[in-house]
Amino acid sequence: DAGVIQSPRHEVTEMGQEVTLRCKPISGHDYLFWYRQTMMRGLELLIYFNNNVPIDDSGMPEDRFSAKMPNASFSTLKIQPSEPRDSAVYFCASSFGQGGEKLFFGSGTQLSVL
Amino acid sequence: GIQVEQSPPDLILQEGANSTLRCNFSDSVNNLQWFHQNPWGQLINLFYIPSGTKQNGRLSATTVATERYSLLYISSSQTTDSGVYFCAGGAGGSYIPTFGRGTSLIVHP
Repeated sequence: DAGVIQSPRHEVTEMGQEVTLRCKPISGHDYLFWYRQTMMRGLELLIYFNNNVPIDDSGMPEDRFSAKMPNASFSTLKIQPSEPRDSAVYFCASSFGQGGEKLFFGSGTQLSVL
Repeated sequence: GIQVEQSPPDLILQEGANSTLRCNFSDSVNNLQWFHQNPWGQLINLFYIPSGTKQNGRLSATTVATERYSLLYISSSQTTDSGVYFCAGGAGGSYIPTFGRGTSLIVHP
């Protein structure tokens, strides 16, 4: 398997623009997570899905953030409108089962909002 | 939610030295994992270790869940070990990993 695949690797945009980050989990994994990494807050969980259903989105910072998982092989994280404070590295991760398997990360998307 | 504390926050070693990284949890932990973030930012899963001891080459990890801590041992460190080491785990009824702030390791040649 190619691992968790994220795109784009880098995104530079201007404040107010819509940003869409994409993720393809490892085939067969039924849990998908979106994390955000900043110097100030470290790695924080934004939202996670189980079998394509959002389970906990309490980490999503505000209504400008939304995430979807239309099928088992694709998820998006959208920010609309983007703000400079959204600049961070966004990671997608997947695992099989909730309690007994490793968490695997994608390479991340480095987002810069100017 | 669970609180995760890692120590030390920073570590500088000479190549060949050994080190121990510690992770403390505020509650009895499950689903404990160790990760290495390399200088290119990639997060690699090193161990899934909810309890007991595991070894993988020069790395080994021990978790004592009832005492709420885990240790990562690095022996004969190499420059490629540089990066940030994170532990993560869930507690109570949740297996969703919460991450510590990491230990930044620099290994000099």
